[in-house]
Amino acid sequence: NAGVMQNPRHLVRRRGQEARLRCSPMKGHSHVYWYRQLPEEGLKFMVYLQKENIIDESGMPKERFSAEFPKEGPSILRIQQVVRGDSAAYFCASSPSQGGYGYTFGSGTRLTVV
Amino acid sequence: DAKTTQPPSMDCAEGRAANLPCNHSTISGNEYVYWYRQIHSQGPQYIIHGLKNNETNEMASLIITEDRKSSTLILPHATLRDTAVYYCIVRPYHAGNMLTFGGGTRLMVKP
Repeated sequence: NAGVMQNPRHLVRRRGQEARLRCSPMKGHSHVYWYRQLPEEGLKFMVYLQKENIIDESGMPKERFSAEFPKEGPSILRIQQVVRGDSAAYFCASSPSQGGYGYTFGSGTRLTVV
Repeated sequence: DAKTTQPPSMDCAEGRAANLPCNHSTISGNEYVYWYRQIHSQGPQYIIHGLKNNETNEMASLIITEDRKSSTLILPHATLRDTAVYYCIVRPYHAGNMLTFGGGTRLMVKP
């Protein structure tokens, strides 16, 4: 039973480019969450999605960031026109519909903007 | 979600028990206590959770006070690989709630 899969593990982008981070939840999990961890800081919630719906995006920056979780395929976190301040580790987590302790994190994508 | 307070750092000798405290004095009746840890550069890892009874699994034990205002995570025989940041989180059980991570406790297990 594969865990939460994130790819790529490391991503380097030049300022102004787009970054696409992918997250495949655990089998049977229909809830996906994205978190960001800036260097030497704690994890901050960004967005919570269910299939084809954004449930809570209160932690998402208003500009340049978007997320989706289509009916088929992985969840995507998209950052347009990246800036150096976007350099961080981005973690995805998933949980089953009936929820609780089954909240499982992936290994993260480390984005470096040069 | 209720706020939690943890010491920023602790040391523990290898092979000894590590006792990590957490205060959650504003916890409400439907909120569980969850513990996660983050080993350097990895994704957070679930450890254990409980409502009001003490809990034990293969990783750790969780002791919750009778008034539920504080709890202690116990790693019975700490190893060097237990060096990590440990997060105490209080939240309702059902899915749909994000986890709110505080500063956690940075546990350093020393040989």
